[in-house]
Amino acid sequence: EVQLVESGGDLVKPGGSLRLSCAASGFTFSNSWMSWVRQAPGKGLEWLGRIKSKTDGGTTDYPTFVKGRFTISRDDSRNTLYLQMNSLKIEDTAVYHCTTYNVRIGGALDYWGQGTLVTVSS
Amino acid sequence: QSALTQPPSASGSPGQSVTISCTGTSSDVGGYNYVSWYQQHPGKVPKLMIYEVSKRPSGAPDRFSGSKSGNTAALTISGLQAEDEADYYCSSYAVTKTIIFGGGTKLTVL
Repeated sequence: EVQLVESGGDLVKPGGSLRLSCAASGFTFSNSWMSWVRQAPGKGLEWLGRIKSKTDGGTTDYPTFVKGRFTISRDDSRNTLYLQMNSLKIEDTAVYHCTTYNVRIGGALDYWGQGTLVTVSS
Repeated sequence: QSALTQPPSASGSPGQSVTISCTGTSSDVGGYNYVSWYQQHPGKVPKLMIYEVSKRPSGAPDRFSGSKSGNTAALTISGLQAEDEADYYCSSYAVTKTIIFGGGTKLTVL
């Protein structure tokens, strides 16, 4: 069974940094492309970026609004995905989900973790 | 890149059909057959219902179908059931190598 378990969410002050983790199991993590998606309270889904498998280059892509602030990385030896967030703003308050990014089905996000809550407040 | 445009709400009675639209541009929806649809019940994680415009993953009922014409994709739910009441989000791959979501549609089963 595929499992994605996020951790690291916390209350942080504006301008602060936070690193989220996502522990993966039940599938071959090293062969998988992965993504992060967030959802602010009562709002819609926002895609935060993707990292390819190392076999496919291990590169990342981000939407314009997070470039330079958020960084996605992976540790295949630990089956773990990371999201490093810097210069946090109040509007970054959201539940952050890691997802699989299934390139075989057009980049659909077929498995989602339950998410971890990040609150940015002074 | 701007979010895809979805109607904020939709509704239908049990047994009826309802269609939710998702409008983008030639740089996303119109340019690729990589539109997905997700269902999200309150307090739950989004669930993939449609991928590559019209394909259903295992576990998605065949009452759900997808289509696309030009820059607009659509999700149709036939034989509406009470458990279909949820929020629905479309997404598309874009020319910027990113994924763009729609703003979401709240479906009410009357």
